[in-house]
Amino acid sequence: NAGVTQTPKFQVLKTGQSMTLQCAQDMNHEYMSWYRQDPGMGLRLIHYSVGAGITDQGEVPNGYNVSRSTTEDFPLRLLSAAPSQTSVYFCASSGTGETEAFFGQGTRLTVV
Amino acid sequence: GENVEQHPSTLSVQEGDSAVIKCTYSDSASNYFPWYKQELGKGPQLIIDIRSNVGEKKDQRIAVTLNKTAKHFSLHITETQPEDSAVYFCAATFGRAGSYQLTFGKGTKLSVIP
Repeated sequence: NAGVTQTPKFQVLKTGQSMTLQCAQDMNHEYMSWYRQDPGMGLRLIHYSVGAGITDQGEVPNGYNVSRSTTEDFPLRLLSAAPSQTSVYFCASSGTGETEAFFGQGTRLTVV
Repeated sequence: GENVEQHPSTLSVQEGDSAVIKCTYSDSASNYFPWYKQELGKGPQLIIDIRSNVGEKKDQRIAVTLNKTAKHFSLHITETQPEDSAVYFCAATFGRAGSYQLTFGKGTKLSVIP
C-alpha cells in the first residue's frame, strides 16, 4: 500500500523561484493537510482541505497556495521562494479531522 | 486557535525505566488527542490516541491519560527499549464539526540509554 506519497524528497531553490510540492494519497481520505517542520517548532499547519474543491488556511499560510481538484491530490505551491521557507514539509491525510492522520515521508526544501 | 504545550523538550532514560511526556491544551472543546512518534528522516506515525469520553487508554507498553477538567493529557511508556528513542508529538483537535484541524506540541526528543 502506497499511503501518502510526496515528491520530491529533496529540493534546492533560489530565492524568488516558484515550485510545486506534490502529495497524493490512495486511501480515499477526505482530509488532507500540509505542515512545515522547523527545529524546535513542531509541526505547523500551512493549509488544509476537507474535501475536493474545499481548502482553508492554517497557522502559517503566507507565501503558499493550494488547490484540491481531486480527492487523491493536494499540491502545495510556493509562489516566490524565500530563505524563511527552508524547512521540511509534510503532507498528511485522514478520513476525518478526528481520526488517524497518515503522513508522507516529507520534502526537505532549502532556499538559497 | 488552539495552543498545545508539551514538556519536556528532551528526555533521557535508562533502558527499562519509564518515560512520561505531558501536554496541556487551551480549547475546552477539543475532543481528540493523538500521539505521534517520529523516527529520524521519516514522517510522524500514530502510536496511540484518546477521545474526550475516555480517561485512560493502554496498548501494551504505552498508555495515555486525559484530564479534561485540567485540560492536560500524558503519554506513559513503560519498560523503555532503545527502539523507543525518537521524537514524540502530542496533538489536539480544534475547530468546528466537518472542519477539524490538528494542533501539535513542539515535540519531545526521547533518548533511551542501553
